[in-house]
Amino acid sequence: AQTVTQSQPEMSVQEAETVTLSCTYDTSENNYYLFWYKQPPSRQMILVIRQEAYKQQNATENRFSVNFQKAAKSFSLKISDSQLGDTAMYFCAFMTTGNQFYFGTGTSLTVIP
Amino acid sequence: EPEVTQTPSHQVTQMGQEVILRCVPISNHLYFYWYRQILGQKVEFLVSFYNNEISEKSEIFDDQFSVERPDGSNFTLKIRSTKLEDSAMYFCASILRETDTQYFGPGTRLTVL
Repeated sequence: AQTVTQSQPEMSVQEAETVTLSCTYDTSENNYYLFWYKQPPSRQMILVIRQEAYKQQNATENRFSVNFQKAAKSFSLKISDSQLGDTAMYFCAFMTTGNQFYFGTGTSLTVIP
Repeated sequence: EPEVTQTPSHQVTQMGQEVILRCVPISNHLYFYWYRQILGQKVEFLVSFYNNEISEKSEIFDDQFSVERPDGSNFTLKIRSTKLEDSAMYFCASILRETDTQYFGPGTRLTVL
């Protein structure tokens, strides 16, 4: 069974500081994709970053980067220089080669001015 | 940038009524999905659709649900006889290729009274 676990239901960070959101997953597949999606109060799901499991290099997208540890099945998101607009629900997601998505339960991040 | 659109943004219905949620995927995309998110919970996969047929569906997607691509641009989710527990945010998503990132629509909030 494929599962995604986000163990931090809520987090907060001071503006301009760095925060790391954790995610672990379980799968027996070797080829898969991992994502972080942001869901602001508007509720639209916005892609933050994507990582292919076959790539060892951690994905980076401006202030967002991941720490992908394939052996440990861990996929954490680091947000640097946090901004007020980063306040949102963050979902870790996993996609198999059969292209079905599995989502974690989310981490609610609040950036404090 | 092309985007997935969904209508209506909010639908209120009486229990037992039929509802149709509409999505317009990105025009050249080939794979389509519906997800739902009950308030405060994680995003759950409902169904995937490719080549005019369902490719995968979850346990949630029972006989009350159906999907259709009636005219080559719209992708609809029909709930035949709504129940209170169908109240949720419903997201549509689409991709061009199986390995692509899913683009999500803004969602339709369904409220069943």
